[in-house]
Amino acid sequence: DGGITQSPKYLFRKEGQNVTLSCEQNLNHDAMYWYRQDPGQGLRLIYYSQIVNDFQKGDIAEGYSVSREKKESFPLTVTSAQKNPTAFYLCASGKTQGRTGANVLTFGAGSRLTVL
Amino acid sequence: AQSVTQPDIHITVSEGASLELRCNYSYGATPYLFWYVQSPGQGLQLLLKYFSGDTLVQGIKGFEAEFKRSQSSFNLRKPSVHWSDAAEYFCAVGADDYKLSFGAGTTVTVRA
Repeated sequence: DGGITQSPKYLFRKEGQNVTLSCEQNLNHDAMYWYRQDPGQGLRLIYYSQIVNDFQKGDIAEGYSVSREKKESFPLTVTSAQKNPTAFYLCASGKTQGRTGANVLTFGAGSRLTVL
Repeated sequence: AQSVTQPDIHITVSEGASLELRCNYSYGATPYLFWYVQSPGQGLQLLLKYFSGDTLVQGIKGFEAEFKRSQSSFNLRKPSVHWSDAAEYFCAVGADDYKLSFGAGTTVTVRA
């Protein structure tokens, strides 16, 4: 089945440690996204990538980094510079709708990061 | 930049009753509009989308939404709610920049 795989589902880290969240898709979508979800705040965009080897900052990129070396993969690193990293992280891939500049997103099941 | 407001944080509805979730967007041009649903601890599933054409959009699970440009709204409706519809619902708006902005979500509780 085509879809998006996020791992790990649950992750604990100590303050000051970097951690990398994995996101893999086999939908052959060009675009990939990372969102952060906190209770009562909806989803906030961290980074997105429309093509391989290119990515853009979203609304809350500070303290995060990404890479897009392969079409299928878009890992997110939460660095020690992120002041409040405990959250639910959602990865998505996007398929462009017709000739618009908009993507229809398909989401993974999420990764919950807790900083101890 | 585009933005979305979902005025209702939490709605409780009886099983079999109708449901309407409100969504207002802010964007200068014609927006692309979406409704997603999320079960606890899970990812988001697309219910329906509007890009152009008929302003009444049909989606999965018996949901529909109506785009009203004059009111900058894209409200989601379901005529008869089932217990399995209890979840969190997100409205989202996209533009020609490949970004999608989400509202804060509305949690729906279904009582027997």
